[in-house]
Amino acid sequence: DVKVTQSSRYLVKRTGEKVFLECVQDMDHENMFWYRQDPGLGLRLIYFSYDVKMKEKGDIPEGYSVSREKKERFSLILESASTNQTSMYLCASCTDIRNEKLFFGSGTQLSVL
Amino acid sequence: AQKITQTQPGMFVQEKEAVTLDCTYDTSDPSYGLFWYKQPSSGEMIFLIYQGSYDQQNATEGRYSLNFQKARKSANLVISASQLGDSAMYFCAMRGGGGRGSYIPTFGRGTSLIVHP
Repeated sequence: DVKVTQSSRYLVKRTGEKVFLECVQDMDHENMFWYRQDPGLGLRLIYFSYDVKMKEKGDIPEGYSVSREKKERFSLILESASTNQTSMYLCASCTDIRNEKLFFGSGTQLSVL
Repeated sequence: AQKITQTQPGMFVQEKEAVTLDCTYDTSDPSYGLFWYKQPSSGEMIFLIYQGSYDQQNATEGRYSLNFQKARKSANLVISASQLGDSAMYFCAMRGGGGRGSYIPTFGRGTSLIVHP
Protein backbone atom coordinates (compact mmCIF):
# COMPACT_ATOMS: atom_id res chain seq x y z
CA ASP A 1 0.00 0.00 0.00
CA VAL A 2 1.06 3.57 -0.66
CA LYS A 3 2.09 5.27 2.51
CA VAL A 4 2.30 8.98 3.15
CA THR A 5 3.66 9.64 6.61
CA GLN A 6 3.48 12.91 8.47
CA SER A 7 5.91 13.08 11.34
CA SER A 8 3.54 14.38 14.01
CA ARG A 9 -0.19 13.94 14.55
CA TYR A 10 -0.38 16.78 17.08
CA LEU A 11 2.01 19.66 17.57
CA VAL A 12 1.94 22.61 19.98
CA LYS A 13 4.25 25.55 19.34
CA ARG A 14 4.71 29.08 20.63
CA THR A 15 4.25 32.26 18.61
CA GLY A 16 7.45 33.19 16.82
CA GLU A 17 8.92 29.69 16.79
CA LYS A 18 10.23 28.15 13.60
CA VAL A 19 8.17 25.05 12.84
CA PHE A 20 8.98 22.15 10.53
CA LEU A 21 6.27 19.78 9.33
CA GLU A 22 7.69 16.71 7.64
CA CYS A 23 6.08 14.46 5.06
CA VAL A 24 7.53 11.28 3.58
CA GLN A 25 6.04 9.05 0.87
CA ASP A 26 7.29 5.59 -0.07
CA MET A 27 5.94 5.22 -3.62
CA ASP A 28 8.42 7.26 -5.65
CA HIS A 29 5.79 9.91 -6.44
CA GLU A 30 6.95 12.96 -8.37
CA ASN A 31 4.26 15.28 -7.06
CA MET A 32 3.79 16.32 -3.46
CA PHE A 33 1.42 18.83 -1.89
CA TRP A 34 0.75 20.69 1.33
CA TYR A 35 -2.83 21.64 2.10
CA ARG A 36 -4.24 23.48 5.07
CA GLN A 37 -7.69 22.47 6.37
CA ASP A 38 -9.88 24.78 8.43
CA PRO A 39 -13.51 24.21 9.47
CA GLY A 40 -15.89 25.70 6.94
CA LEU A 41 -13.09 26.49 4.49
CA GLY A 42 -12.21 23.04 3.21
CA LEU A 43 -8.70 22.31 1.95
CA ARG A 44 -6.57 25.12 0.61
CA LEU A 45 -3.31 24.54 -1.23
CA ILE A 46 -0.21 26.08 0.34
CA TYR A 47 2.59 24.76 -1.89
CA PHE A 48 3.22 21.90 -4.24
CA SER A 49 6.30 20.31 -5.78
CA TYR A 50 6.48 18.39 -9.04
CA ASP A 51 10.10 17.33 -8.73
CA VAL A 52 13.10 17.45 -6.42
CA LYS A 53 14.08 21.05 -5.63
CA MET A 54 11.08 22.32 -7.60
CA LYS A 55 8.25 24.13 -5.85
CA GLU A 56 5.31 26.29 -6.77
CA LYS A 57 3.06 28.47 -4.69
CA GLY A 58 -0.51 27.48 -4.11
CA ASP A 59 -3.41 29.67 -3.05
CA ILE A 60 -2.16 30.65 0.43
CA PRO A 61 1.67 30.57 0.52
CA GLU A 62 2.12 33.61 2.75
CA GLY A 63 3.94 32.80 5.97
CA TYR A 64 5.11 29.41 4.68
CA SER A 65 8.04 27.98 2.78
CA VAL A 66 8.85 24.45 1.62
CA SER A 67 11.84 22.26 0.94
CA ARG A 68 12.21 19.21 -1.27
CA GLU A 69 15.79 18.00 -1.23
CA LYS A 70 14.88 14.35 -1.78
CA LYS A 71 12.10 12.88 -3.87
CA GLU A 72 10.40 11.14 -0.97
CA ARG A 73 10.38 14.06 1.47
CA PHE A 74 8.49 17.36 1.35
CA SER A 75 8.84 19.72 4.30
CA LEU A 76 6.61 22.64 5.21
CA ILE A 77 8.28 25.43 7.19
CA LEU A 78 6.65 28.13 9.24
CA GLU A 79 9.46 30.67 9.62
CA SER A 80 7.81 32.47 12.54
CA ALA A 81 4.64 30.75 13.69
CA SER A 82 1.59 32.88 14.38
CA THR A 83 -1.72 32.04 16.04
CA ASN A 84 -3.58 32.31 12.72
CA GLN A 85 -1.53 29.35 11.49
CA THR A 86 -3.25 27.07 13.99
CA SER A 87 -4.79 24.51 11.68
CA MET A 88 -4.79 20.95 10.34
CA TYR A 89 -2.05 20.42 7.76
CA LEU A 90 -2.41 17.65 5.20
CA CYS A 91 0.35 16.31 2.98
CA ALA A 92 -0.47 14.44 -0.23
CA SER A 93 1.35 12.88 -3.16
CA CYS A 94 0.74 11.29 -6.56
CA THR A 95 2.59 10.20 -9.68
CA ASP A 96 0.48 11.46 -12.55
CA ILE A 97 -1.22 14.67 -11.56
CA ARG A 98 -3.43 14.63 -14.69
CA ASN A 99 -5.07 11.31 -14.01
CA GLU A 100 -4.43 10.08 -10.51
CA LYS A 101 -6.07 10.52 -7.15
CA LEU A 102 -4.09 12.04 -4.30
CA PHE A 103 -2.70 9.87 -1.53
CA PHE A 104 -2.94 11.67 1.80
CA GLY A 105 -1.14 11.46 5.11
CA SER A 106 -3.05 11.41 8.39
CA GLY A 107 -2.57 15.12 8.98
CA THR A 108 -0.82 17.25 11.59
CA GLN A 109 -2.98 19.31 13.92
CA LEU A 110 -0.83 22.33 14.76
CA SER A 111 -1.69 24.64 17.62
CA VAL A 112 0.23 27.90 17.92
CA LEU A 113 -0.12 29.53 21.34
CA ALA B 1 -9.85 29.29 -12.34
CA GLN B 2 -11.68 26.32 -10.92
CA LYS B 3 -14.31 26.47 -8.26
CA ILE B 4 -16.07 23.79 -6.25
CA THR B 5 -19.21 24.52 -4.25
CA GLN B 6 -20.67 22.28 -1.57
CA THR B 7 -23.76 23.99 -0.19
CA GLN B 8 -24.63 21.50 2.57
CA PRO B 9 -22.52 22.07 5.70
CA GLY B 10 -24.21 19.13 7.40
CA MET B 11 -26.49 16.24 6.50
CA PHE B 12 -28.31 13.64 8.57
CA VAL B 13 -29.51 10.27 7.32
CA GLN B 14 -31.07 7.21 8.88
CA GLU B 15 -29.08 4.00 8.74
CA LYS B 16 -29.84 1.91 5.61
CA GLU B 17 -31.29 4.87 3.73
CA ALA B 18 -29.71 6.54 0.70
CA VAL B 19 -28.27 10.05 0.85
CA THR B 20 -27.12 12.55 -1.78
CA LEU B 21 -24.32 15.02 -1.13
CA ASP B 22 -24.34 17.97 -3.50
CA CYS B 23 -21.41 19.35 -5.46
CA THR B 24 -21.37 21.93 -8.22
CA TYR B 25 -18.30 23.10 -10.08
CA ASP B 26 -17.13 25.79 -12.43
CA THR B 27 -14.30 25.61 -14.94
CA SER B 28 -13.42 26.80 -18.40
CA ASP B 29 -11.32 23.70 -19.16
CA PRO B 30 -12.90 21.33 -21.71
CA SER B 31 -11.30 18.37 -19.94
CA TYR B 32 -11.45 17.90 -16.18
CA GLY B 33 -11.90 15.33 -13.45
CA LEU B 34 -14.08 15.19 -10.37
CA PHE B 35 -13.25 13.35 -7.14
CA TRP B 36 -14.94 12.60 -3.87
CA TYR B 37 -12.99 11.96 -0.67
CA LYS B 38 -14.13 10.86 2.76
CA GLN B 39 -12.47 12.09 5.96
CA PRO B 40 -13.40 10.16 9.12
CA SER B 41 -12.66 11.58 12.55
CA SER B 42 -9.21 9.94 12.37
CA GLY B 43 -8.26 12.65 9.87
CA GLU B 44 -6.99 10.66 6.89
CA MET B 45 -8.55 11.49 3.53
CA ILE B 46 -9.89 8.41 1.75
CA PHE B 47 -10.50 8.43 -2.01
CA LEU B 48 -14.01 7.27 -2.90
CA ILE B 49 -14.78 7.81 -6.57
CA TYR B 50 -13.64 9.57 -9.74
CA GLN B 51 -15.49 10.89 -12.81
CA GLY B 52 -13.79 12.15 -15.95
CA SER B 53 -15.51 14.88 -17.93
CA TYR B 54 -15.61 12.72 -21.05
CA ASP B 55 -16.83 9.58 -19.33
CA GLN B 56 -20.15 8.57 -20.85
CA GLN B 57 -21.45 6.75 -17.81
CA ASN B 58 -21.75 7.79 -14.19
CA ALA B 59 -18.99 6.34 -12.01
CA THR B 60 -19.87 3.73 -9.41
CA GLU B 61 -17.80 2.12 -6.66
CA GLY B 62 -19.75 -0.28 -4.49
CA ARG B 63 -22.31 1.73 -2.51
CA TYR B 64 -21.00 5.00 -3.93
CA SER B 65 -22.15 6.49 -7.21
CA LEU B 66 -21.51 9.85 -8.77
CA ASN B 67 -24.50 11.55 -10.40
CA PHE B 68 -22.72 13.53 -13.10
CA GLN B 69 -24.80 16.16 -14.89
CA LYS B 70 -22.42 17.97 -17.19
CA ALA B 71 -24.82 20.60 -18.46
CA ARG B 72 -25.70 21.58 -14.90
CA LYS B 73 -22.07 21.32 -13.79
CA SER B 74 -22.98 19.09 -10.90
CA ALA B 75 -21.30 15.97 -9.53
CA ASN B 76 -23.37 14.75 -6.62
CA LEU B 77 -22.30 11.78 -4.52
CA VAL B 78 -24.96 9.20 -3.78
CA ILE B 79 -24.41 6.77 -0.93
CA SER B 80 -26.85 3.88 -0.94
CA ALA B 81 -27.78 1.90 2.18
CA SER B 82 -26.00 4.19 4.65
CA GLN B 83 -23.98 2.62 7.42
CA LEU B 84 -22.89 4.06 10.77
CA GLY B 85 -19.31 4.01 9.50
CA ASP B 86 -20.27 6.45 6.75
CA SER B 87 -20.41 9.24 9.32
CA ALA B 88 -17.58 11.56 8.24
CA MET B 89 -16.69 14.72 6.33
CA TYR B 90 -17.04 14.42 2.57
CA PHE B 91 -15.11 16.58 0.15
CA CYS B 92 -15.73 17.13 -3.53
CA ALA B 93 -12.64 18.04 -5.56
CA MET B 94 -11.86 18.93 -9.12
CA ARG B 95 -8.78 18.99 -11.32
CA GLY B 96 -8.66 20.90 -14.56
CA GLY B 97 -6.97 20.07 -17.83
CA GLY B 98 -5.47 23.34 -18.91
CA GLY B 99 -1.88 22.98 -17.73
CA ARG B 100 0.14 22.00 -14.69
CA GLY B 101 -1.38 24.57 -12.39
CA SER B 102 -4.93 23.60 -13.26
CA TYR B 103 -4.18 19.92 -12.70
CA ILE B 104 -3.86 20.57 -8.96
CA PRO B 105 -7.09 19.49 -7.29
CA THR B 106 -9.31 22.23 -5.87
CA PHE B 107 -11.48 21.18 -2.94
CA GLY B 108 -14.89 22.24 -1.74
CA ARG B 109 -15.65 23.21 1.84
CA GLY B 110 -16.98 19.79 2.72
CA THR B 111 -20.22 18.28 4.02
CA SER B 112 -20.46 16.63 7.40
CA LEU B 113 -22.60 13.48 7.22
CA ILE B 114 -24.06 11.91 10.33
CA VAL B 115 -25.73 8.52 10.07
CA HIS B 116 -28.30 7.79 12.79
CA PRO B 117 -29.02 4.23 13.95
